[in-house]
Amino acid sequence: QKEVEQDPGPLSVPEGAIVSLNCTYSNSAFQYFMWYRQYSRKGPELLMYTYSSGNKEDGRFTAQVDKSSKYISLFIRDSQPSDSATYLCAMSEGAGGGNKLTFGTGTQLKVEL
Amino acid sequence: GAVVSQHPSRVICKSGTSVKIECRSLDFQATTMFWYRQFPKQSLMLMATSNEGSKATYEQGVEKDKFLINHASLTLSTLTVTSAHPEDSSFYICSARPDNNQPQHFGDGTRLSIL
Repeated sequence: QKEVEQDPGPLSVPEGAIVSLNCTYSNSAFQYFMWYRQYSRKGPELLMYTYSSGNKEDGRFTAQVDKSSKYISLFIRDSQPSDSATYLCAMSEGAGGGNKLTFGTGTQLKVEL
Repeated sequence: GAVVSQHPSRVICKSGTSVKIECRSLDFQATTMFWYRQFPKQSLMLMATSNEGSKATYEQGVEKDKFLINHASLTLSTLTVTSAHPEDSSFYICSARPDNNQPQHFGDGTRLSIL
């Protein structure tokens, strides 16, 4: 069993839809949780960064962490074609998420006109 | 802020060639940088942690003599793939963080193709 599980997709939604992306994990020591967006042939871009359980909102993006269920989510509201990319969850045990990151395999998202 | 630049973005070379990839933090100093490898449709795998002024820490299974890392300044780390072979073809990505309490920011990666 992988430490972090993420459905690879692809996930196809119409423009304007609400998108839900999820990851589950097995290591209860993870405390810092991140979502990165990766366009084709580019490096990952940090979208959201959260510590422990709870919600965090930034514009159209909302990150949720449920440590009791070992489950994290990223919601994208009013999805746009420019949101089409691969979304990677990442998590770490150490302070600030700056230590060794464990990534999910990424979910490929396509937002269609 | 927190911009990481990686160069070159694309390398195509013959088998046996050594290839150097640079990773720079443009607007912050980074005592620690990270090097990852990513195969198509797979996630990022950490290869090594680069520490300014000291030896890099390599992950299990990564050959330190094959992948030479130098972190000579607070804004520059280099990865040299020595005597590269076709199986070394991959997407190499670096990351850096402004301090220990900040998340990692990634460069745009280097696509390496060995013929």
